[in-house]
Amino acid sequence: GENVEQHPSTLSVQEGDSAVIKCTYSDSASNYFPWYKQELGKRPQLIIDIRSNVGEKKDQRIAVTLNKTAKHFSLHITETQPEDSAVYFCAASRANQGGKLIFGQGTELSVKP
Amino acid sequence: EAGVAQSPRYKIIEKRQSVAFWCNPISGHATLYWYQQILGQGPKLLIQFQNNGVVDDSQLPKDRFSAERLKGVDSTLKIQPAKLEDSAVYLCASSLSGRGNTEAFFGQGTRLTVV
Repeated sequence: GENVEQHPSTLSVQEGDSAVIKCTYSDSASNYFPWYKQELGKRPQLIIDIRSNVGEKKDQRIAVTLNKTAKHFSLHITETQPEDSAVYFCAASRANQGGKLIFGQGTELSVKP
Repeated sequence: EAGVAQSPRYKIIEKRQSVAFWCNPISGHATLYWYQQILGQGPKLLIQFQNNGVVDDSQLPKDRFSAERLKGVDSTLKIQPAKLEDSAVYLCASSLSGRGNTEAFFGQGTRLTVV
């Protein structure tokens, strides 16, 4: 069945450094790739998403890249801040499955001041 | 706008008991999802509704889990009887359209502990 692999499971960086989280997906028909941030005890919230007709998307300090051929996509956070500390989930879905999201296992990001 | 509402926030039950969770999606959202999030893992889809019809329940353990979405708005998820491995956070989410490629908004979740 469909699967999304996410790495690393934990990531620790110094404030101001960059952080990169990578995901691979198995379903070649996937065409929508959102990233969610989940703070401890809170709901997952969308931070950025990308569709398969785009290779890269940027929103201030956050960017996502997509390589459809290799079936992987990555989240890049630059100039990290302590408030970026959270668990980040990647996900994939395809339109003809009604938007069903398949999530990765999550990456716990810790930004040390 | 009001977000996805879920209740209760926490529930502790003994194994073999039954439990029910309630979700009120964002007004006007046609699609509603129930996800199970076990500690340290990503959310796993249990069931997806489009209005009041089931789109996908392939991952729902139907021998013990049931869900309904009456009138295409609120939804309830029930577990009967509960097992220890059902301990998890149950997240409800909704999206405007079930045609995909639209943001899913999540509720705060219900943390279930089965003892």
